[in-house]
Amino acid sequence: AQKITQTQPGMFVQEKEAVTLDCTYDTSDPSYGLFWYKQPSSGEMIFLIYQGSYDQQNATEGRYSLNFQKARKSANLVISASQLGDSAMYFCAMRVRRDDKIIFGKGTRLHILP
Amino acid sequence: DTAVSQTPKYLVTQMGNDKSIKCEQNLGHDTMYWYKQDSKKFLKIMFSYNNKELIINETVPNRFSPKSPDKAHLNLHINSLELGDSAVYFCASSQGPEAFFGQGTRLTVV
Repeated sequence: AQKITQTQPGMFVQEKEAVTLDCTYDTSDPSYGLFWYKQPSSGEMIFLIYQGSYDQQNATEGRYSLNFQKARKSANLVISASQLGDSAMYFCAMRVRRDDKIIFGKGTRLHILP
Repeated sequence: DTAVSQTPKYLVTQMGNDKSIKCEQNLGHDTMYWYKQDSKKFLKIMFSYNNKELIINETVPNRFSPKSPDKAHLNLHINSLELGDSAVYFCASSQGPEAFFGQGTRLTVV
């Protein structure tokens, strides 16, 4: 069965520090994609970054990078130089090629402290 | 030029009523979804459509009926609304490395 696990329900981080949000996944399908989304208090789901299972390099998008460790089945999100506006709920998600379904972890609520 | 737009953003209605939520995407994606986000923020897939065809129905009550008139639209109709249907409903579309969500519809059943 496919599964996404986010073990940190909440995190508090000082502004300007780097943040790592943990995500592990489980699938037997060799072809899959991993996503991270940000959900601020306003409620919308904002796409941050994508990593394909066959991608050789870790994905990066501005201050966001995905630390993809395939053998460990982990896809941690790293936010560099955190800002107050980074305070939000963050979701890790996975889509497997077989059924195209996107499943989500339970999320991590990130609080950036001034 | 919103990529995935859903309407309405808020919906307050009485138990037993029937309501619809509309979703449109202008990305040319083949796959569209409906998700339900509960009060604990958990996102659960309800339906998945690929090129107007139903692919996934995650044991959702028959009161929920998705309709896809074309590849760019996926609407959700809900009959006989119940208190437990109160949630935020998200439409999404996906293709390859892209998966974008609408802004969500907060449904409150009173």
